[in-house]
Amino acid sequence: GDSVTQMEGPVTLSEEAFLTINCTYTATGYPSLFWYVQYPGEGLQLLLKATKADDKGSNKGFEATYRKETTSFHLEKGSVQVSDSAVYFCALGGGNQGGKLIFGQGTELSVKP
Amino acid sequence: DTAVSQTPKYLVTQMGNDKSIKCEQNLGHDTMYWYKQDSKKFLKIMFSYNNKELIINETVPNRFSPKSPDKAHLNLHINSLELGDSAVYFCASGGGGPRGEQFFGPGTRLTVL
Repeated sequence: GDSVTQMEGPVTLSEEAFLTINCTYTATGYPSLFWYVQYPGEGLQLLLKATKADDKGSNKGFEATYRKETTSFHLEKGSVQVSDSAVYFCALGGGNQGGKLIFGQGTELSVKP
Repeated sequence: DTAVSQTPKYLVTQMGNDKSIKCEQNLGHDTMYWYKQDSKKFLKIMFSYNNKELIINETVPNRFSPKSPDKAHLNLHINSLELGDSAVYFCASGGGGPRGEQFFGPGTRLTVL
């Protein structure tokens, strides 16, 4: 079945460092891809999305490009801030999954001043 | 102005009890979902309703019964609570079809003692 694999955390970075969180997927059909962020004690917020191959999603300095050839949707940010500390989830929707989101295991990011 | 709201935020109860979690969305979406987040933060779909009709039931024990009185509400009733039911339960709604994004509530942290 469809699945999402993320790099394991926790990831610890210094403020202003470059961030990459790897995400790869397996899917039949043509899924949409998402990054969600969960701040401590809160629900999930949609960070960005891409609905077809080669689309780039971007928001708040974060970017991810839907790469069908490598089945990847890696999250990047050029300069992280302490306020970016959270758990990041890669997810796919659609494909053959009838509307549910399939999540990766989440990657915890901790940014130190 | 909360888009997806859940009550209660915290629920502590004894094994064997019956409890309910309520969810409401004011986004005008046709589809609502329940997800379970375990202690390792892994998220998995439980149920999905489209315009009051059950469309996804993901091998959840029949002690869990969702109810949708109208398309803006999706409640989750749990009978005979067990220790393993302790988790965070998230309600979500989506209106973009099977490949669209979903918007999540703040979560209900259920602790079964």
